[in-house]
Amino acid sequence: DAGITQSPRHKVTETGTPVTLRCHQTENHRYMYWYRQDPGHGLRLIHYSYGVKDTDKGEVSDGYSVSRSKTEDFLLTLESATSSQTSVYFCAISGTGDSPLHFGNGTRLTVT
Amino acid sequence: AQSVTQLGSHVSVSEGALVLLRCNYSSSVPPYLFWYVQYPNQGLQLLLKYTTGATLVKGINGFEAEFKKSETSFHLTKPSAHMSDAAEYFCAVGHAGGTSYGKLTFGQGTILTVHP
Repeated sequence: DAGITQSPRHKVTETGTPVTLRCHQTENHRYMYWYRQDPGHGLRLIHYSYGVKDTDKGEVSDGYSVSRSKTEDFLLTLESATSSQTSVYFCAISGTGDSPLHFGNGTRLTVT
Repeated sequence: AQSVTQLGSHVSVSEGALVLLRCNYSSSVPPYLFWYVQYPNQGLQLLLKYTTGATLVKGINGFEAEFKKSETSFHLTKPSAHMSDAAEYFCAVGHAGGTSYGKLTFGQGTILTVHP
């Protein structure tokens, strides 16, 4: 999967707890993205990064924050998890120009 | 603003039959269009993309799609379905320009079932 590792692969957490998901890439790609996948909605962009310490919001960013202190790592944090954040989260990467997105295998998060 | 509509959340075909998955988009700027496939418990894999140039695009596994600007469509086809084609398929739209390229808007997905 184009050198993308997401961790953990599965997580169950309680409402109100903080959660951090990690995306690690070995491709040295500049751009990294977090999407969430929900039935009937396809995938929706949460946040993205266009370089170290350069991030911006996507379509559904409320309740999420991100950080990128190294090229290879892009962290997604749920400050206080809610049941509406139960979803499958995908990290994607791309190089410059018109290279397509490559996706990780996803993290299935359940908030009880 | 951009959006994608995939017509039919489930499509069922017989092995060897034509596969047709429909996608319509809206975009205020010239679009980049993509089809991705997702197998169970996996990430999305790129099937094909249209950026500029030839409007008939060929992808992996025998799939192709045609960009029709007048119809704002990008339907995915395969002449003869194989059992291994059973998966969920996503159409997505993006556009050119630096960080915008990977900011895709996805359709809701179409689950393809292939019967023996």
